[in-house]
Amino acid sequence: GEDVEQSLFLSVREGDSSVINCTYTDSSSTYLYWYKQEPGAGLQLLTYIFSNMDMKQDQRLTVLLNKKDKHLSLRIADTQTGDSAIYFCAERDAGNNRKLIWGLGTSLAVNP
Amino acid sequence: DGGITQSPKYLFRKEGQNVTLSCEQNLNHDAMYWYRQDPGQGLRLIYYSQIVNDFQKGDIAEGYSVSREKKESFPLTVTSAQKNPTAFYLCASSIGTQQNIQYFGAGTRLSVL
Repeated sequence: GEDVEQSLFLSVREGDSSVINCTYTDSSSTYLYWYKQEPGAGLQLLTYIFSNMDMKQDQRLTVLLNKKDKHLSLRIADTQTGDSAIYFCAERDAGNNRKLIWGLGTSLAVNP
Repeated sequence: DGGITQSPKYLFRKEGQNVTLSCEQNLNHDAMYWYRQDPGQGLRLIYYSQIVNDFQKGDIAEGYSVSREKKESFPLTVTSAQKNPTAFYLCASSIGTQQNIQYFGAGTRLSVL
């Protein structure tokens, strides 16, 4: 079945770049999403990309997609302490457009 | 301000009791979703609804029920049949297009007394 995998933890220093990685299994055209969750809060959509794109940039965020390797990454430039959160990667389910397949989330710790 | 409102923020359930979590959206979205979040397990889909008066089971629907009588409202009832209800519950909505971009409420944390 379809699956989305992420590393569970990432620690960076303030001001450095963070790169959060995700792999997915669906080989058909699909949408891929990045969400951010702060402690005790809901999920906030950061960005999304369609699988025919290689890259998408939005201010400090850059999404890179390697469709051949089914690898998605989220780069956060100039990481700040306010970026400390859990970051979820998700993929639209190829069999049901109404469903998303979620990774377990990457917990990003930003150290001053 | 447009958004999704979940209430209450915290809820406690006694043994054998049904409880209802509220989810209201004023984004004029067609589709609405309920997720359960447990530590280390990510998000799991409970129920979703694409239009009023219609809803489908997600991956973990047992012990839960929903209704969709109005476009803006999608309440979730956690029944006494759900033996392990302690979790963080998230409601989301989307316009209903191919992109399926989902927007989330702030969540309800349910605990068992």
